[in-house]
Amino acid sequence: GNSVTQMEGPVTLSEEAFLTINCTYTATGYPSLFWYVQYPGEGLQLLLKATKADDKGSNKGFEATYRKETTSFHLEKGSVQVSDSAVYFCALPNSGNTPLVFGKGTRLSVIA
Amino acid sequence: NAGVTQTPKFRVLKTGQSMTLLCAQDMNHEYMYWYRQDPGMGLRLIHYSVGEGTTAKGEVPDGYNVSRLKKQNFLLGLESAAPSQTSVYFCASSYRRNAEGYGYTFGSGTRLTVV
Repeated sequence: GNSVTQMEGPVTLSEEAFLTINCTYTATGYPSLFWYVQYPGEGLQLLLKATKADDKGSNKGFEATYRKETTSFHLEKGSVQVSDSAVYFCALPNSGNTPLVFGKGTRLSVIA
Repeated sequence: NAGVTQTPKFRVLKTGQSMTLLCAQDMNHEYMYWYRQDPGMGLRLIHYSVGEGTTAKGEVPDGYNVSRLKKQNFLLGLESAAPSQTSVYFCASSYRRNAEGYGYTFGSGTRLTVV
């Protein structure tokens, strides 16, 4: 089945720093790709998605581009805030029309 | 507010006890899922349902049973709890199975400790 690999954390950044969280995938075809975010004590929330190759998903200042050449979907933000501290998960369908498979998550801590 | 509600939020069980986790959604979603989250393991799919009266196994189904008697509810049962089932359990629902264009809506989780 399909799978994702995320960079291991934790990642600690100062406020206003640039963020990149790497995600690479192995998949048959070109499935939709997702980033989810989990704030402390909460469930996961959809952050952004891309449904086909070369698409760019964006939300709340975060961006990720679906790159089939490098099988990557890296998450970026130009200037992080303390409120961005959370765990971030990359995800894609296992295969075809099946439930999502999640990466192991990357914990981000932003300090003032 | 519309969403996914999980009960209970916390529970401590003794080894061998049984319990049921309840997930309820009010968005008329067809598909529902149970995941467990463990440190360093991310989220792993336990069971899922593609509609009322249907269930299917996920990646880690052993030791769990599920039922979807009503479209809005998805129950996860532990027949004989083991310490290895200590985890945070998340329920999610979606309009479509592969979440194409819609994404999953998650509950806030149930933290279960088995001693």
